[in-house]
Amino acid sequence: EPEVTQTPSHQVTQMGQEVILRCVPISNHLYFYWYRQILGQKVEFLVSFYNNEISEKSEIFDDQFSVERPDGSNFTLKIRSTKLEDSAMYFCASSDPDSGGTDTQYFGPGTRLTVL
Amino acid sequence: DAKTTQPPSMDCAEGRAANLPCNHSTISGNEYVYWYRQIHSQGPQYIIHGLKNNETNEMASLIITEDRKSSTLILPHATLRDTAVYYCILTYTGRRALTFGSGTRLQVQP
Repeated sequence: EPEVTQTPSHQVTQMGQEVILRCVPISNHLYFYWYRQILGQKVEFLVSFYNNEISEKSEIFDDQFSVERPDGSNFTLKIRSTKLEDSAMYFCASSDPDSGGTDTQYFGPGTRLTVL
Repeated sequence: DAKTTQPPSMDCAEGRAANLPCNHSTISGNEYVYWYRQIHSQGPQYIIHGLKNNETNEMASLIITEDRKSSTLILPHATLRDTAVYYCILTYTGRRALTFGSGTRLQVQP
């Protein structure tokens, strides 16, 4: 069964450093997403991406964040200058909007980002 | 914010059916009811969704009341591996952001 994969599983960085989180969505999916979950808190939507553009973003997704689909398979989330409060699990998801009128999102296993 | 209400926790005996309720009294006509679960800190796992009819797949059944103001996710024979947080989420075609609430923490007891 196809699945979303994410690398690395755990990333440790120093405050102020740039990090890039990587995702390989399900191959025939067209929409891609990033969510995050701070330890003990709810899963929060960050951004959705379609046709090489951001289609929707939350208030969390400020200028420190960017997304990119650098090739036909990868989808990345970049945090330019990490803060302590960026420490969280980051989940990538993908969906196929042509799947019968609904748009089920399938999630990857997540990347745990620790900012020291 | 999520427009659903779920009990914070439930217990279920292994091998028995787990019935997880969700109240969504302000649901709109075009909103689907989706269920996801999250085991430990893993990525949310899609379970099932429906609009107004009851639905069944290999994982679970979804029962939606006729007025669509509430629904129940049924895991017919719960196992220890079904211990997770279960989220009931409303969304409509074209809306990209899923809004996760606090969900129901289901503990399956041996």
